Amino acid sequence: EAGVTQFPSHSVIEKGQTVTLRCDPISGHDNLYWYRRVMGKEIKFLLHFVKESKQDESGMPNNRFLAERTGGTYSTLKVQPAELEDSGVYFCASSQDRQGFYGYTFGSGTRLTVV
Amino acid sequence: QKEVEQDPGPLSVPEGAIVSLNCTYSNSAFQYFMWYRQYSRKGPELLMYTYSSGNKEDGRFTAQVDKSSKYISLFIRDSQPSDSATYLCAMFKSGGSNYKLTFGKGTLLTVNP
Repeated sequence: EAGVTQFPSHSVIEKGQTVTLRCDPISGHDNLYWYRRVMGKEIKFLLHFVKESKQDESGMPNNRFLAERTGGTYSTLKVQPAELEDSGVYFCASSQDRQGFYGYTFGSGTRLTVV
Repeated sequence: QKEVEQDPGPLSVPEGAIVSLNCTYSNSAFQYFMWYRQYSRKGPELLMYTYSSGNKEDGRFTAQVDKSSKYISLFIRDSQPSDSATYLCAMFKSGGSNYKLTFGKGTLLTVNP
């Protein structure tokens, strides 16, 4: 079984530019989550999709962040315009069940650096 | 006050040592507790989960939860160099539709051969 795939693995952009991160969950997993780790801080929840619907987006920092999951398969997270404080590692995870703790599988993350 | 506190270490032990990793939490709504292991440049990988006070054992790993003290621990017996990683505690609250995990900062563990 293929795992959760994220790309790019690394992105360096200038402040004010736009970046789009992509996550391909495990096939058949309806639940998809985005998390972020800013340097020196803990991993924090951003949002949760069930199929193509946003179940919980309470962790999204501001309206510069837009997440989509068209067709309930892969998801994208767009940051526009990027700011310096957006730098960090963005993780995607997927699970079959909503609670997730039986099969909450993380991708390797996208390391975003805004300069 | 942070909801979950975890000493970031770093922690360095010799091979074969018993390792104790700990987290405290402030919100009694947390009912489900997990430990994740994260190798460098990889995503967190679930090691153990539990939802009741007491001990849960899986091979060399034992997870312990004390809900009255709001304290969770992970013990690693006979530690190996391959156990060198960052260990993250994580938890979520029961009820409702809120399934987001709240993580500790993680403890960086190095096991020296």
